[in-house]
Amino acid sequence: QVQLRESGPGLVKPSQTLSLTCTVSGGSISSGGYYWSWIRQHPEKGLEWIGYIYYSGSAYYNRPLKSRVTISVDTSKNQFSLNLISVTAADTAVYNCARLMTTFEAFDIWGRGTMVTVSS
Amino acid sequence: QSALTQSPSASGSPGQSVTISCTGTSSDVGSYNYVSWYQQHPGKAPKLMIYEVNKRPSGVPDRFSGSKSGNTASLTVSGLQAEDEADYYCSSYAGSNIYVFGTGTKVTVL
Repeated sequence: QVQLRESGPGLVKPSQTLSLTCTVSGGSISSGGYYWSWIRQHPEKGLEWIGYIYYSGSAYYNRPLKSRVTISVDTSKNQFSLNLISVTAADTAVYNCARLMTTFEAFDIWGRGTMVTVSS
Repeated sequence: QSALTQSPSASGSPGQSVTISCTGTSSDVGSYNYVSWYQQHPGKAPKLMIYEVNKRPSGVPDRFSGSKSGNTASLTVSGLQAEDEADYYCSSYAGSNIYVFGTGTKVTVL
């Protein structure tokens, strides 16, 4: 059974870079048919899709974040990562990684999420 | 790309039905049959309940059903149970490798 787990700092200073990693277990990130995604949820608010990457390295991002986001993949470690530069308090959120089924365009497996607070 | 619009709350008594709506535009919900629904209990990760408008993943009770008309998708929970109390989010493919989520609906079982 495929599982996803997020890891990374829970506190980031304003203007710095938020970096998170999602480790995939129980299956290969290189298996076709899935996009590996990042989604965030601001406190007491809804979900926001950040972007996703295919195992080949092709990545797509939500337009409002595109200038600040990079998603990368490391198939040797079965991991993919999120970098968000120039963070502000508005980037404080729970960050989830999730698997997106390309055939059905739905997020079928989610990590538990990790809270990231942007504060000095 | 704007968030899909959901009513903030919905409620029903045990055994009753509740329907949640998700309104988008002709660029997302109206153009693609790639609407999905997610259930989120407090402090937990979202769980896929419906995909491709009306299909249920294995293990999801048939009390959950989905539909779509024009730019609006709907999720109906029949025979409400206490464990159905949660936040529900819709999502849609919006073309050009873009996805959008709904604003979320809190379902309360009275």
